[in-house]
Amino acid sequence: DTGVSQDPRHKITKRGQNVTFRCDPISEHNRLYWYRQTLGQGPEFLTYFQNEAQLEKSRLLSDRFSAERPKGSFSTLEIQRTEQGDSAMYLCASSLVDGSYNEQFFGPGTRLTVL
Amino acid sequence: AQKVTQAQTEISVVEKEDVTLDCVYETRDTTYYLFWYKQPPSGELVFLIRRNSFDEQNEISGRYSWNFQKSTSSFNFTITASQVVDSAVYFCALSEGNAGNMLTFGGGTRLMVKP
Repeated sequence: DTGVSQDPRHKITKRGQNVTFRCDPISEHNRLYWYRQTLGQGPEFLTYFQNEAQLEKSRLLSDRFSAERPKGSFSTLEIQRTEQGDSAMYLCASSLVDGSYNEQFFGPGTRLTVL
Repeated sequence: AQKVTQAQTEISVVEKEDVTLDCVYETRDTTYYLFWYKQPPSGELVFLIRRNSFDEQNEISGRYSWNFQKSTSSFNFTITASQVVDSAVYFCALSEGNAGNMLTFGGGTRLMVKP
């Protein structure tokens, strides 16, 4: 296993379309996180999962954003009715929580451009 | 609420110079964790270091060193004898103890090392 992977790496879409991104975490990691990074800014936390349970989703940017991790492995992030302001890099990270604090490992990101 | 400030948006040095990246944080928790990540031009965030709030011991790893001072709420990062390959954006991040490991990032410091 070489790390966190994300697909696609780039997505160009027209305003109003729905998009879905996939994240595959490091295989033994039980926590999975989504962040958004806009140009020139640090990543901004969106949501996270412990196995298949979504433990925090109040930071999702609007009700157009949703995430799932149905089997506790890969996760998807969907944005409905995209807007130009959604253009950003969407980052996924994973970590192993085993009673001690462990760092998050990030994937390469999906760059979204909304025209 | 937690907050991380990286006042230096961009630093330019000549190779072999030492450089310090500043990080100031705010939190009400007594248990928290501080991180530094590197984001090279390829875009993938690379974990560098984690410190917890109970361990103020400074750390050195090769050319990298970190100075954690709770009295000033700072966690500064020094690169000794900088190299061109150190050119990247560096992010400081904070995670409060009971926040599910959610990371709050600073705005980043872009370091340019010129030959």
